[in-house]
Amino acid sequence: ETGVTQTPRHLVMGMTNKKSLKCEQHLGHNAMYWYKQSAKKPLELMFVYNFKEQTENNSVPSRFSPECPNSSHLFLHLHTLQPEDSALYLCASSPKQEGGYTFGSGTRLTVV
Amino acid sequence: QQQVKQSPQSLIVQKGGISIINCAYENTAFDYFPWYQQFPGKGPALLIAIRPDVSEKKEGRFTISFNKSAKQFSLHIMDSQPGDSATYFCAASIGGFQKLVFGTGTRLLVSP
Repeated sequence: ETGVTQTPRHLVMGMTNKKSLKCEQHLGHNAMYWYKQSAKKPLELMFVYNFKEQTENNSVPSRFSPECPNSSHLFLHLHTLQPEDSALYLCASSPKQEGGYTFGSGTRLTVV
Repeated sequence: QQQVKQSPQSLIVQKGGISIINCAYENTAFDYFPWYQQFPGKGPALLIAIRPDVSEKKEGRFTISFNKSAKQFSLHIMDSQPGDSATYFCAASIGGFQKLVFGTGTRLLVSP
C-alpha cells in the first residue's frame, strides 16, 4: 500500500445511479487530487483540494461532485454518468514541501 | 502551452539494453519535472524528478537528462530488466508539485 487508499477498487453503475468514490490518506499531506485516467489519453486533473479547500476545478461536468470533509479524506460523488465517463479514477495527495504525489491504486469505473 | 508531449507510445527493449523515453514541453514556467512508473492495477508511483537548474540526475539505473534550451527531458533506464516493464509518464508543474500536467505515457516491455 502506498499510504493512499481508494475504495471501491471496481465499480459498475448504471447511468441513473448515484455512487461515491472514497479516498483516504494518513501521510500528513496537505493537498489531495482527483485524476481521470482513460486509455491513450494523458492523466486528466479533475479537482485539487488544499487544506480542505477546493482550489481547482478543471471544467469538470457537474455530474461529478467532490467533497473534502478533512485533509485526510476525499470523496467523488457520481450521478447520472455517461458511458464515456468509464475510466480509472485516481486519487493522489502531496505534501506542501517537495516530495511529489502519492497515488492510490484507483477505482476502475464502468458506466453501463 | 500546458501540454507535455511524450514519445514513443510504446517501446520494446531487450534485457540489458537501454530504454529511452522523451518528453517535450512549451511552457517555460514549468520548474519541476517528475517521472512516474505505473504497473497494471496500480496507481503511478514517483520514480525520479528533476528541476531545471541541473542537466542530469541519476538514481540507480534511472537517469533524467534535461535540456532547458530545447525544452526537452528524457528518462534513460540502463541495464533494463523485465521487472521494469510498466507504463512510464513524464510530468511537469509550476511552483513545485501541485497540478501536475502529465504526458500520454509510454508502455515499456523488456523482453527476457
